Amino acid sequence: AIQMTQSPSSLSASVGDRVTITCRASQGIRNDLGWYQQKPGKAPKLLIYAASSLQSGVPSRFSGSGSGIDFTLTISSLQPEDFATYYCLQDYNYPRTFGQGTRVEIK
Amino acid sequence: EVQLVESGGGLVQPGESLRLSCATSGFNFGTYWMAWVRQAPGKGLEWVANIKQDGSDKHYADSMGGRFTISRDNAKESLYLQMDSLRPEDTAVYFCARDFTTRDNNGYHDAYDIWGQGTMVTVSS
Repeated sequence: AIQMTQSPSSLSASVGDRVTITCRASQGIRNDLGWYQQKPGKAPKLLIYAASSLQSGVPSRFSGSGSGIDFTLTISSLQPEDFATYYCLQDYNYPRTFGQGTRVEIK
Repeated sequence: EVQLVESGGGLVQPGESLRLSCATSGFNFGTYWMAWVRQAPGKGLEWVANIKQDGSDKHYADSMGGRFTISRDNAKESLYLQMDSLRPEDTAVYFCARDFTTRDNNGYHDAYDIWGQGTMVTVSS
């Protein structure tokens, strides 16, 4: 199975900060990657699909980039509602695999 | 309104079975792949299984070891997960999710755009 490694596992940031989360695949996965946001006690929410396509209704401060092995989720200006845990998920092959998550906390 | 509602979770003993259901509404269920994802308490997300629109193709996570079976009933617009020989490590919230497919120059891409609220499964003696 493809391993997805996210970094950092957690970070502290302030409102207005630019935040970058990375996800590295154990092999090339083209652009078959999505990003999800999860708040405590809630279901995950799709932010980005196909590595860089913004899901309908998601604020434009979220963006994704990358192809092959290395991928990035960027929040251009962190808002109070963005404090959450973020996961990447590869859809290149089966079994699908998630990264271990990145928790974004308030500094 | 597009909605997914899971049910069937609960407390079971190791070795027992449980069947989860996911009732859907607000979209054409029979035209989407569907999936199950789980999350152990305090842990990350783990993909469990998915199933094609007509049920003819299914995929599972390696760790399920043939103990789980995904199925669907398009007439009832419902998704199911039969879980047998349950273990304490199967304790988790189980989410169902709609799998939507897009296409670009690189080919097809899957993502989970609609999720249920989850149902808790606890395996303990």
